[in-house]
Order: sequence, then C-alpha cells, then structure tokens
Amino acid sequence: DAGVIQSPRHEVTEMGQEVTLRCKPISGHNSLFWYRQTMMRGLELLIYFNNNVPIDDSGMPEDRFSAKMPNASFSTLKIQPSEPRDSAVYFCASSLGTSGARTGELFFGEGSRLTVL
Amino acid sequence: GENVEQHPSTLSVQEGDSAVIKCTYSDSASNYFPWYKQELGKRPQLIIDIRSNVGEKKDQRIAVTLNKTAKHFSLHITETQPEDSAVYFCAASIRSGGYNKLIFGAGTRLAVHP
Repeated sequence: DAGVIQSPRHEVTEMGQEVTLRCKPISGHNSLFWYRQTMMRGLELLIYFNNNVPIDDSGMPEDRFSAKMPNASFSTLKIQPSEPRDSAVYFCASSLGTSGARTGELFFGEGSRLTVL
Repeated sequence: GENVEQHPSTLSVQEGDSAVIKCTYSDSASNYFPWYKQELGKRPQLIIDIRSNVGEKKDQRIAVTLNKTAKHFSLHITETQPEDSAVYFCAASIRSGGYNKLIFGAGTRLAVHP
C-alpha cells in the first residue's frame, strides 16, 4: 500500500480564498483523522471519522472549517474563507479500528503545508 | 479536560548519553500511549507504544514506562545517536462517543550532538 496520500503538498493562497485539502486513507482502515500542526499549538486534532461518519468535530476551530468523507477512500478538509492564522501543516491520518477498547496505530500522510497570505 | 503534558520542550544530549522524555495525562480511562518521532519536514511516525495492561516495554535502544496510578509515562532512549535528533510526541487515547481518539503532547525537540 502507498500509505496515506494527501494533496496538495503545498498550497499558497490569499486571504479570503477557499482551500480544499484532500486525503486518501490506507485501504481497509476504517478511521480517519485530520490534525493541524503549528509551532505554537503542536498537533491539534480537528475532526475524526469512523466508517465515514464524523464522530468528533470538537476540534474544528470555526465554522469556516468543514470536513467530509463521502466514501471509505476519500476525505476533504475545506477552509472558506481562509485567513492568515490558518497557515499550518495539515495532516491526515488513518488507522484500523478505534472502536471499543482498542486503539490502532495512526499512520500519517506527508501533510499539506498551507500558507495564507 | 483532555490534556497531555510533555516535558521538556527541548533536550540536548551528547552522543552516547541517555535521553528521557516525560508525559502526564488527565483521563484515567486512557489505555493506549504511543510515541511518535517526527524528523524535520517529515510526517510523525510511530516508534513505540504501550497499553495500560503493562508497565514497561522495550525495543532495542528505546523503552517506555507507564505509571497508571500517577498517570504518567516516559520515553527512554539509551546510547543516543545523531540520527535520533528529531521532535518526539507522546499521545494518550481519549474515549469519545464510543470511540478512541489520540491527543498529543506539545512535543520535545531532541538534539544529539556528536
């Protein structure tokens, strides 16, 4: 398997523009996570899905952020409108099973580095 | 609230010395504690993990210890090498809506000097 695939790797945009980040999890993994990484706040969990259903979106900072998972092999994180403070590296990660008492290893993608001017 | 504290934020050691990074967590129901290594410009990758039914786990030069009573766990790296230089993150599982999510510590930047 190629691992978790994210696109784009780098995105530079202007304030107010819409940004869409994409993620393809590892085949067979049923849990998908979106994290944001900054120097100030470290790795923050934004939202996670289990079997394509959003389970916990309490980390989504504002209504400007939205995430979808229309099927088991694709997820998007959208920011509209974007602001300079959204500049960060956004990681998608997937795992095999986080239900019940068992937590599986998280496999991270390469990340999408977003710069909002 | 959900919280994982990690110390120190930076650590500098000489090659061959040991390095210890400590984390505390707030949720007594947490039962899974992984450690991730992130090299500059790369993705975080799992290096070792421990579940709540054991107190210690070792893998070559890396070991992790867990004290559930005190709600803290530590990463120990012995005989450090320059390639161990990276940012290390601890994490703890948090129960949420019938599922488990991982909350990460703030990270420790380890520098190993030749």
